[in-house]
Amino acid sequence: EADIYQTPRYLVIGTGKKITLECSQTMGHDKMYWYQQDPGMELHLIHYSYGVNSTEKGDLSSESTVSRIRTEHFPLTLESARPSHTSQYLCASRRGAYGYTFGSGTRLTVV
Amino acid sequence: GIQVEQSPPDLILQEGANSTLRCNFSDSVNNLQWFHQNPWGQLINLFYIPSGTKQNGRLSATTVATERYSLLYISSSQTTDSGVYFCAVEGWETSGSRLTFGEGTQLTVNP
Repeated sequence: EADIYQTPRYLVIGTGKKITLECSQTMGHDKMYWYQQDPGMELHLIHYSYGVNSTEKGDLSSESTVSRIRTEHFPLTLESARPSHTSQYLCASRRGAYGYTFGSGTRLTVV
Repeated sequence: GIQVEQSPPDLILQEGANSTLRCNFSDSVNNLQWFHQNPWGQLINLFYIPSGTKQNGRLSATTVATERYSLLYISSSQTTDSGVYFCAVEGWETSGSRLTFGEGTQLTVNP
């Protein structure tokens, strides 16, 4: 079922580095989302997009940025990683009145 | 915004037992989904159920939208059912913009 892909699956990176988490979906969904989740905790929305050239900030304040140049691609970028960014990042997509589909997530550790 | 409460927070079962997980929400919704997060962090969609009853194998779910709650039933539980179960809703006011997650129910099924 999973036609939404996230890379990398795991990432350990040093403080101050710039990183981009990739998310792609092949389902032609217009709406895409990024959620952040600390271990064992609930998910919080950090960014979403209604379509190409549309991006909005979510509920949780985040130092990341996103772009939506193509329907199928919704990358998330951290310009300068910090230990406080250590978390799991989950990408999701949705079309119309159907449910959300999530990718496998990226587990980020900033040392 | 809309509030989501899940109960119980933790549940320990013996293999073969049945269980009921509950999700209460504070406002009318146009989307409700149940997810299972496995030990590897992957979020699997179980049901898209803004109202009514659905069944899929040993799992079934019921949402009573007028009373603002949903129930997830797990019958004849197996060790592979272990993990965190999340209920997530989308209110009519924020339609298309976000899923709001509950804090989850941590289920442990012992052999």
